Amino acid sequence: GAVVSQHPSWVICKSGTSVKIECRSLDFQATTMFWYRQFPKQSLMLMATSNEGSKATYEQGVEKDKFLINHASLTLSTLTVTSAHPEDSSFYICSARDRQGKNIQYFGAGTRLSVL
Amino acid sequence: AQTVTQSQPEMSVQEAETVTLSCTYDTSESDYYLFWYKQPPSRQMILVIRQEAYKQQNATENRFSVNFQKAAKSFSLKISDSQLGDAAMYFCAYRSPNTGNQFYFGTGTSLTVIP
Repeated sequence: GAVVSQHPSWVICKSGTSVKIECRSLDFQATTMFWYRQFPKQSLMLMATSNEGSKATYEQGVEKDKFLINHASLTLSTLTVTSAHPEDSSFYICSARDRQGKNIQYFGAGTRLSVL
Repeated sequence: AQTVTQSQPEMSVQEAETVTLSCTYDTSESDYYLFWYKQPPSRQMILVIRQEAYKQQNATENRFSVNFQKAAKSFSLKISDSQLGDAAMYFCAYRSPNTGNQFYFGTGTSLTVIP
């Protein structure tokens, strides 16, 4: 089946630094990718929809200047957490939709962000 | 916005037995997709089963089957012959083709399988 690679799987950083998370579709093209945030023992909350070649669409309450999303190619979207603070510590998951319209979304394995 | 409700935060089942996880959703749309995802301790989201709303026949995938009641907006998951590897968090999800294909997830049900 299709694979979505997410990197890194775990990152620890100091407060105030920026962290970039990559989401790649390995064997299909994805015009749309989604970024989710998941707190422990909670559901996935959609943060933003990333569209190739255009600006991301952010959900209400998500700071677009805080969470920068770039979808520069059909196989790569990046989420940058700028000036990270301890409250940004969470599990971030991306998903990608197959461009061929198979109506299936594939999820990455997630990135655990710990901000000290 | 669509809402998805999973009223069972935790469920347990004896190995080899059958368990049903419930899910209801609220929508005014007629065309949509429903999914059950499994999230084991590794946190990797794994697709268990999907259902297109226009199909009346309930989807089945080996030991997993759904009871889709469109009028009642209900989408339950039945796991037959439960195995230890079925233990995980299960999320029901709704996807609309009209809102950018984004997912709306339920709050999840934690399934424990008792040996």
